[in-house]
Amino acid sequence: RKEVEQDPGPFNVPEGATVAFNCTYSNSASQSFFWYRQDCRKEPKLLMSVYSSGNEDGRFTAQLNRASQYISLLIRDSKLSDSATYLCVVMPTGGFKTIFGAGTRLFVKA
Amino acid sequence: EPEVTQTPSHQVTQMGQEVILRCVPISNHLYFYWYRQILGQKVEFLVSFYNNEISEKSEIFDDQFSVERPDGSNFTLKIRSTKLEDSAMYFCASSDSITYEQYFGPGTRLTVT
Repeated sequence: RKEVEQDPGPFNVPEGATVAFNCTYSNSASQSFFWYRQDCRKEPKLLMSVYSSGNEDGRFTAQLNRASQYISLLIRDSKLSDSATYLCVVMPTGGFKTIFGAGTRLFVKA
Repeated sequence: EPEVTQTPSHQVTQMGQEVILRCVPISNHLYFYWYRQILGQKVEFLVSFYNNEISEKSEIFDDQFSVERPDGSNFTLKIRSTKLEDSAMYFCASSDSITYEQYFGPGTRLTVT
C-alpha cells in the first residue's frame, strides 16, 4: 500500500461546481496533514493545514478522519483559477520525512 | 510577505560535475528541507535540517548529497558527481516549529547532460 494515496483524476468540472478530493495514508502514527496546490512546473503552495476538528478557509474545507486514515478537501464554487494539481501531504509523529501524494489534477472549465 | 528564494533558477551541468543549489529560507523559520521532483513524478523528500544538523534523510539522500548552512541566511544542497538521473526540479522549503507548515521556494531546475 502506498504511504499516501490519491485519486489521480483528472477531474473536469464546470465553473461553480463543488468538487471533493480524497486521500488515504498508511502510517497511523502520522501527525500533521496538509493540502497543497501545484501549478504546472511551479512549486507546491500551501492551501491549508488539516485538523481533526476540520477547518475551512473561504471556499475550501478540509476534513481529517484519523480512525479511517483519510483526509478530504472540498472546493465549493470552483473558479477557473482553481485548475491545478492538489497534493495531499503527511508528516509523521516526531519526524520530518514529509510524504507527498502523487496529486489529483483538477480542470475547471468555463 | 516573506518567501523562500532559490538560486539559480536553472542549472545545466555535465555528468560527473558537482553542483551547489542555494536557498534562503524565511528568516524566522528554524526547519529547512530539500525535495526533488522528477518531471511528471511526485515530490520526494530528501532531507530535513534543524539546529545545524540533519534531522532526517530519505534513502535517496546518499553520500552523493550534502547540505550545509554556511551562514545565518543560506541553506545549500551539494550534489557531487552528478548523474543523468539527478535531472529534476529541486525545491527548498522552510517551516516554523509550531505549525510545521512548509513554504517552498520556486525551485532550481537541474539538467545533467
